[in-house]
Amino acid sequence: GIQVEQSPPDLILQEGANSTLRCNFSDSVNNLQWFHQNPWGQLINLFYIPSGTKQNGRLSATTVATERYSLLYISSSQTTDSGVYFCAVARRNSGYALNFGKGTSLLVTP
Amino acid sequence: NAGVTQTPKFQVLKTGQSMTLQCAQDMNHNSMYWYRQDPGMGLRLIYYSASEGTTDKGEVPNGYNVSRLNKREFSLRLESAAPSQTSVYFCASRGQPNTEAFFGQGTRLTVV
Repeated sequence: GIQVEQSPPDLILQEGANSTLRCNFSDSVNNLQWFHQNPWGQLINLFYIPSGTKQNGRLSATTVATERYSLLYISSSQTTDSGVYFCAVARRNSGYALNFGKGTSLLVTP
Repeated sequence: NAGVTQTPKFQVLKTGQSMTLQCAQDMNHNSMYWYRQDPGMGLRLIYYSASEGTTDKGEVPNGYNVSRLNKREFSLRLESAAPSQTSVYFCASRGQPNTEAFFGQGTRLTVV
């Protein structure tokens, strides 16, 4: 299956700081999503972004499919941004089932 | 709009017991998926159903069976639970292929 690598594995930020999370994947994909898993375990959809750039408030994401990576930008971080961020990719030949990376664990301190 | 609903939210089983995890979606989605999440890891695919009437194995299918009961419902069965199946289980669904998938709130299962 496709290998998905996320970096960094852990990140500690002070409130107000900016950060960039990276997702590398080993093969071409048809589908890419970013999720936030909050401290209660809920998976929240952030972006569906198989290519290009999208922005939603303080968050933005860019996927360069030809170079097999995606970036998630968090600006002016808040304590509520804490949790684990997952990148997941999918291919047509496996029913578009998502393959997940191991995540980036983010802690934002006051 | 409820989205993807999983029941139960929590369950404790004894080794060897059986149980079924239920998942239902109200978005008229074609594809449904079952994942498990273990500490410090991403989600791993157990089984999926690309469309009503079809099911396929994922990365970690051993010890599980699934049923796509109708377009709305996709259940996951543990026939003889083992401690190694202690995990958080997530169900997901997707409509058209190149659209986003949505996840349920998860079922936390402990096998003792």
